[in-house]
Amino acid sequence: DIQMTQSPSSVSASVGDRVTITCRASQGISSWLAWYQQKPGKAPKLLIYAASSLQSGVPSRFSGSGSGTDFTLTISSLQPEDFATYYCQQANSFPITFGPGTKVDIK
Amino acid sequence: QVQLQESGPGLVKPSQTLSLTCTVSGGSISSGSYYWSWIRQPAGKGLEWIGRIYTSGSTNYNPSLKSRVTISVDTSKNQFSLKLSSVTAADTAVYYCAREFTGYSSSWYTQYDYWGQGTLVTVSS
Repeated sequence: DIQMTQSPSSVSASVGDRVTITCRASQGISSWLAWYQQKPGKAPKLLIYAASSLQSGVPSRFSGSGSGTDFTLTISSLQPEDFATYYCQQANSFPITFGPGTKVDIK
Repeated sequence: QVQLQESGPGLVKPSQTLSLTCTVSGGSISSGSYYWSWIRQPAGKGLEWIGRIYTSGSTNYNPSLKSRVTISVDTSKNQFSLKLSSVTAADTAVYYCAREFTGYSSSWYTQYDYWGQGTLVTVSS
């Protein structure tokens, strides 16, 4: 299985801050990476696919980058509605696996 | 707008079989090149992919669950289903159904673009 790790596991930030979350795959996955946002009691919401493509309807303050084993999700200016947990997910090979999540909370 | 809705018992006894159904509305489950997937999340933990099915009936399962999982599809009802046998407390989780799409932009990608709201299944006697 391809193991996905994320850092940090949690981050405290203020509205307007720039937040960067890192995702690392245990082996190369090309650009087979997506990012999701999950709020308590809700299903995950797709933010980024193909490592850097913004899903339709997602604010442009979200961006993704990376290829191979190292990826980042950046929120350029944190908004109140962005406080949530973020997961990366690889689909390079089965089984599809998710990172453990990064919780973004209010500082 | 595609919508997915999970249904099934919220409580299952240990050693029994967990059965859930996902009903798809707002579009035909047979249209387009989509896989239909099950993903679960124990309380306070991360997401675990269970498996997926294409409308042809082709399936892929997580090896960690493969011996206990069956995913099936009923195109006439626009539904797909999950059966997980011999459950234990470790199978207690919120179970999500989701639509999986694989496409090509500047590179290949797979995305879960539509999700059900999730249903909590507790395994307890």
